[in-house]
Amino acid sequence: GNSVTQMEGPVTLSEEAFLTINCTYTATGYPSLFWYVQYPGEGLQLLLKATKADDKGSNKGFEATYRKETTSFHLEKGSVQVSDSAVYFCALSRTGANNLFFGTGTRLTVIP
Amino acid sequence: DTAVSQTPKYLVTQMGNDKSIKCEQNLGHDTMYWYKQDSKKFLKIMFSYNNKELIINETVPNRFSPKSPDKAHLNLHINSLELGDSAVYFCASSQNRGQETQYFGPGTRLLVL
Repeated sequence: GNSVTQMEGPVTLSEEAFLTINCTYTATGYPSLFWYVQYPGEGLQLLLKATKADDKGSNKGFEATYRKETTSFHLEKGSVQVSDSAVYFCALSRTGANNLFFGTGTRLTVIP
Repeated sequence: DTAVSQTPKYLVTQMGNDKSIKCEQNLGHDTMYWYKQDSKKFLKIMFSYNNKELIINETVPNRFSPKSPDKAHLNLHINSLELGDSAVYFCASSQNRGQETQYFGPGTRLLVL
């Protein structure tokens, strides 16, 4: 089947710390992979995506590389800010499917 | 000029009532979705429509009935509300089916008392 396993939270970091949120997936075919972010009280926004193996998605200083050999799509940022505090969701969309499969979300809190 | 909008934003109601949540997208997308987010933030697909045609109907109680009057709107009607229906409901849309980016509305927080 299709599933996404995401690092359990919550994660608390100091400003300017390095962030990694792990995400691994199980899927048939060649899925596209996504990171969505949900700021407090808001809906989900696409943060970045990658559609094939070895692609790197990047946005706002966040990066994730589609690793087929390890079925992973870990999210990284070199220096987090207080404004990055949010819930981060890893998701996949498989070939021919019509919906996203989400991980359980990881809450990140960045303290000054 | 909001891309995906939902009304209402908050909905507090009694058990047994019937309620509707409306969703509209002005992106010209062909596909729309309803997701449910539970208290632990877990998101799960409920329904998907493509050009007003039902594509996905996950294991959702038949008290939930989506209706798509046109491809820019996908409304969710819930009959006989139960305590367990309390959640945040998100509408989303994408250009086509498949591996497209989905754009989410702000969510409707439903509380059933």
